[in-house]
Amino acid sequence: DTGVSQDPRHKITKRGQNVTFRCDPISEHNRLYWYRQTLGQGPEFLTYFQNEAQLEKSRLLSDRFSAERPKGSFSTLEIQRTEQGDSAMYLCASSLDPAGSQETQYFGPGTRLLVL
Amino acid sequence: KQEVTQIPAALSVPEGENLVLNCSFTDSAIYNLQWFRQDPGKGLTSLLLIQSSQREQTSGRLNASLDKSSGRSTLYIAASQPGDSATYLCAVRGNTGKLIFGQGTTLQVKP
Repeated sequence: DTGVSQDPRHKITKRGQNVTFRCDPISEHNRLYWYRQTLGQGPEFLTYFQNEAQLEKSRLLSDRFSAERPKGSFSTLEIQRTEQGDSAMYLCASSLDPAGSQETQYFGPGTRLLVL
Repeated sequence: KQEVTQIPAALSVPEGENLVLNCSFTDSAIYNLQWFRQDPGKGLTSLLLIQSSQREQTSGRLNASLDKSSGRSTLYIAASQPGDSATYLCAVRGNTGKLIFGQGTTLQVKP
């Protein structure tokens, strides 16, 4: 399978714990995006990387959230001191950006987080 | 600030009907518009991408149109099937790469 993969697929944690999610993009895709989706809503942008550089962060990404893409391949999203409001589906997408208008983002299956 | 709206929020049709899903956006300065499909509890599958210079794209029974000046896109599904039941999301890309999504239209096609 050469699509975007995410791990774990499901995570249940207690409030106050730290969690880390991993995303493996499609091979050779230079852009990697993180989105968050709550029930009944469309995904909301969190942050994105071009290679290893983090180019944009949403205001949704509070100080408790940090994302990395150390070698320009896989990425991790960490949430510290989780809160119940962090419960959501966390989606990762990757793309090869030949020119902005042609960029298609390919999404992974998501990690569903439940904070008790 | 770009805002994307999808109407209706939910739609139920009998099998075989042709249907139209609507998407509107407030800022016409977009690079492209994508339509996605999402099955319950799953990730997003890209259906069609329309570049800002294009008016429409077709794939099988799907046809998407784009009118940048009026800030509107439609997704036309011909001869709907129960397997088309899913949530359909539209998203616009600005100059930074991030996608701004609508809330989605949940479609149910009844046999």
